[in-house]
Amino acid sequence: DTGVSQNPRHKITKRGQNVTFRCDPISEHNRLYWYRQTLGQGPEFLTYFQNEAQLEKSRLLSDRFSAERPKGSFSTLEIQRTEQGDSAMYLCASSPDRLPYGYTFGSGTRLTVV
Amino acid sequence: EDQVTQSPEALRLQEGESSSLNCSYTVSGLRGLFWYRQDPGKGPEFLFTLYSAGEEKEKERLKATLTKKESFLHITAPKPEDSATYLCAVRGSGGSNYKLTFGKGTLLTVNP
Repeated sequence: DTGVSQNPRHKITKRGQNVTFRCDPISEHNRLYWYRQTLGQGPEFLTYFQNEAQLEKSRLLSDRFSAERPKGSFSTLEIQRTEQGDSAMYLCASSPDRLPYGYTFGSGTRLTVV
Repeated sequence: EDQVTQSPEALRLQEGESSSLNCSYTVSGLRGLFWYRQDPGKGPEFLFTLYSAGEEKEKERLKATLTKKESFLHITAPKPEDSATYLCAVRGSGGSNYKLTFGKGTLLTVNP
């Protein structure tokens, strides 16, 4: 068990460019979550997958954001036409179905839009 | 909508000076209150889950307690390595009962 892995750790992009982040969850975890955290704030929920099905998207997730989890394994989060307001830490977490629910977070991807 | 408020926003302690962090919450049917530790530039690290009022959990110098309206994270004789942001989160039994709602955190600094 190597934990939740996120790549890249840091990404600097110019406004208007597209970026994609990857998350590899703990292998036996069916549930996968994306959160966003800005400076001085707690993480905010973006979206949730159970296996390959995306079951909820927060209203924070505009049309420029898309997430996938093909075959219920790794997940990608893509942001199109990035804006400066997208600058944040993007966190991925995974958990099993059974109680107690243990949410394990990755180290995050720090996005800076210049 | 679930809400979490943490206080204080920041706390500075001397090594060995015990204190408590507060997490007040409003949730529709609590299905878990979570405490996480977060170091700068890293993801949150799981500490505890509490499910019902009266429950307590301990780990080294940390002890978490839960009532129907709030949770406390007690830090006994803290050391400089306990310096971090401590996050509280709740999971409710409402429509989105799988997601966590976080507070803004308490930034703890322990001076040697």
